[in-house]
Amino acid sequence: EPEVTQTPSHQVTQMGQEVILRCVPISNHLYFYWYRQILGQKVEFLVSFYNNEISEKSEIFDDQFSVERPDGSNFTLKIRSTKLEDSAMYFCATTSTSENTGELFFGEGSRLTVL
Amino acid sequence: GENVEQHPSTLSVQEGDSAVIKCTYSDSASNYFPWYKQELGKGPQLIIDIRSNVGEKKDQRIAVTLNKTAKHFSLHITETQPEDSAVYFCAASGNTPLVFGKGTRLSVIA
Repeated sequence: EPEVTQTPSHQVTQMGQEVILRCVPISNHLYFYWYRQILGQKVEFLVSFYNNEISEKSEIFDDQFSVERPDGSNFTLKIRSTKLEDSAMYFCATTSTSENTGELFFGEGSRLTVL
Repeated sequence: GENVEQHPSTLSVQEGDSAVIKCTYSDSASNYFPWYKQELGKGPQLIIDIRSNVGEKKDQRIAVTLNKTAKHFSLHITETQPEDSAVYFCAASGNTPLVFGKGTRLSVIA
């Protein structure tokens, strides 16, 4: 069964450092998302991406965050200067159907720990 | 924007009993309502979904009902088994990307 693949599974970084989280979407999927989940809390929307540009972003997705799909396969989330409160599990999700109303397939997540 | 409320936050049932989780949403334009199961250390996995043109949907032991007038939808799990123990999230989308509820931790006691 096709799946969304995320790397790294766990990253520990110092506050102020840049972090890049990577996602390989399911091959025929066109819509890509990043969500995050702070420990024990709900899954929160960060950003959606379609046709090589951001479709929507939440208030969480400030200037410290960026996304891109540099090589047509990897979909990356970059946090420019990490803060303690960025510590969370980050999930990539993708879908092949209409934006916002199709089944989202989630990866296993990347756990980010900021010290 | 959309706001999804989910109850209860924790639920313990005896193996074989039924479990019901309820959610409400605020945006009348939402038209897609999935339920996700999240096991420890893993990403959410879709278990069932319903769209606004359907009132009820069933898949083996799992069923979802939707009341668009009241803006609420529910997950029903019958004949629960220990492997049903997990965190369950409801979500809603339409004009906005999926907005999740806070989750329900279901424990099935053998």
